[in-house]
Formats: sequence, C-alpha cells, structure tokens
Amino acid sequence: AQSVTQPDIHITVSEGASLELRCNYSYGATPYLFWYVQSPGQGLQLLLKYFSGDTLVQGIKGFEAEFKRSQSSFNLRKPSVHWSDAAEYFCAVAPKENSGGSNYKLTFGKGTLLTVNP
Amino acid sequence: DAGITQSPRYKITETGRQVTLMCHQTWSHSYMFWYRQDLGHGLRLIYYSAAADITDKGEVPDGYVVSRSKTENFPLTLESATRSQTSVYFCASSENRRRFGYTFGSGTRLTVV
Repeated sequence: AQSVTQPDIHITVSEGASLELRCNYSYGATPYLFWYVQSPGQGLQLLLKYFSGDTLVQGIKGFEAEFKRSQSSFNLRKPSVHWSDAAEYFCAVAPKENSGGSNYKLTFGKGTLLTVNP
Repeated sequence: DAGITQSPRYKITETGRQVTLMCHQTWSHSYMFWYRQDLGHGLRLIYYSAAADITDKGEVPDGYVVSRSKTENFPLTLESATRSQTSVYFCASSENRRRFGYTFGSGTRLTVV
C-alpha cells in the first residue's frame, strides 16, 4: 500500500532563514505529488504539484519542491522564510491514471508544523 | 460564491444525537471527500464519492453515513454522535483528473459533549 512519510513533526526556523521540509513516499510507480499548507483554523491550500517532466517545480508563496526518483522524495524548499509561513505542511500522493486502481484518493503524510521565530 | 463551502463552521452536540455536516461545491467536480483531522493522526479519509449516487468507504467510516443525490452536495451524517467523533472535519472536491489534487473547504469543528 502506498504511504507518505514526513520525518519531521515540528521544525523551527528563524525569519529569513532557508527552509527544507522532507517528504518520502512508498509507491509502486511514480505518483502525482503535492504539497499543501494549512494555516491555523483554515483548510488546506495547494502549494504546488508535480506530474512529470522538470523535477523542480515552482509553487505559490515562493515555495519550490524537487522530485528525486532515486530517493522517492519530494522535498519542499523556500530560500527565505517569512513569519506568515508559520503553518502546518502536508505532503500527499495520488496514483496516476495509468498505474491501475479505479479509485482516486490522495494519501497524506502526517504533516510538519513550522514555527518561525522573529 | 464559487468554491467549496462547509456548514456549520462550529458545532457542539450531545452524545447520541444525530448531526449532519454540509458540504457544497460550485464547480461540478466529480469527486468529493470527507476527512477528519485529529492530533497525532493527521488527515483520515472517512468517505468519498466519485459521482452522484456513487460513494465508498475510506479508512474510518464507522459511525458515519454519506449521501450524494446531487453532484454539488455531499453531506456527512453522524448517526449517533460519540465523544470520539470530536474532531475537525474537512470536505474536499476534485475534478475528474488526478493531477489537479483537491480543493478543501474551511472545515467544521465538531465537539461532542
């Protein structure tokens, strides 16, 4: 069964510092990959997604993520963190249409909570 | 307004009562989903629907019932609420193409006392 692992439950960074959030997936074939952000008291918002092609994808709010097939990873990065980036971040995967399976469901990691110090 | 809306935003109910959480989307997305979010468990899928009148169980369906008579609505009913169902519930929808991911509602915070 597919699974998504976010090894870091909680990360604290200083404002202006760089950020990398880790995500590893276990899947039979390369799935579609997503990062979502959840601000306190809000729903989840899609940051970026990877389908195929260029392994570095750009998202909203200055985030980017790099897909590494050899490591089954899809890590999220930001060069300079702002206080407003404090939130919980979720990595998710979905099976591609040609990989079999009739049901479309996203599988989510358990999330990484980001705290930003002034 | 276009989008996905959940109601109510907050709900307190008593153990044993029936509660219905509403979810409405304006895009005519085929897929709709219900998740619950709890500390330590992340997001867990309760039920999902691939189209009107087609629903299926997720990871944690016990104690919940869904229906989808219209494409735009996907209500979630707790038949007899228990304290363990205290949670934040999120509805999501998606086009019939997996590459687009989900769009989430703002959630319903349910407390069962």
